[in-house]
Amino acid sequence: DADVTQTPRNRITKTGKRIMLECSQTKGHDRMYWYRQDPGLGLQLIYYSFDVKDINKGEISDGYSVSRQAQAKFSLSLESAIPNQTALYFCATSDHSEQFFGPGTRLTVL
Amino acid sequence: GQQLNQSPQSMFIQEGEDVSMNCTSSSIFNTWLWYKQEPGEGPVLLIALYKAGELTSNGRLTAQFGITRKDSFLNISASIPSDVGIYFCAGQYGAGSYQLTFGKGTKLSVIP
Repeated sequence: DADVTQTPRNRITKTGKRIMLECSQTKGHDRMYWYRQDPGLGLQLIYYSFDVKDINKGEISDGYSVSRQAQAKFSLSLESAIPNQTALYFCATSDHSEQFFGPGTRLTVL
Repeated sequence: GQQLNQSPQSMFIQEGEDVSMNCTSSSIFNTWLWYKQEPGEGPVLLIALYKAGELTSNGRLTAQFGITRKDSFLNISASIPSDVGIYFCAGQYGAGSYQLTFGKGTKLSVIP
């Protein structure tokens, strides 16, 4: 079984809809991250959490919110999706420097 | 903020050839990581480097942490078709700061 799982893997939605992407990990790591990937670009950090009580904004947090429900679960929400949020979204976990990524969610906002 | 320049952006090589790619930074990093991403998947960690000058291998892959701490190199020897993918470098600045700065990737295509 995969150490880091993301659901859904693909989602198509309409402008203005609320969307939640979920991430679960079995690695026992305290640190979890949400990234966005656009074609031809690297990964941009949206939010990160060092433990259940710690949430921090990354470089592109506007339009997104997160919830750390447990050590193993970290969800990303788009309160009112817009077309330029169409992208690949990745969750990652780490114990120290090395981050381990989930398989990604491909989100399309029409 | 810190920026990483990764080159080349893309490469087309013949199977069996060696490959080199690199990342340079405007700032010093304390850790360099190299990832590979295949279509439809998340990045997978290939090699982690923690000390300036460090040279680390993982099978046919070898990566080096530059002496200046502002660059890193990844070499792939005797490429095979399954090496196809996008290779990303990532740098991490400080102890306690576990944020990674990513390069934009090198897309590798291997011609059989």
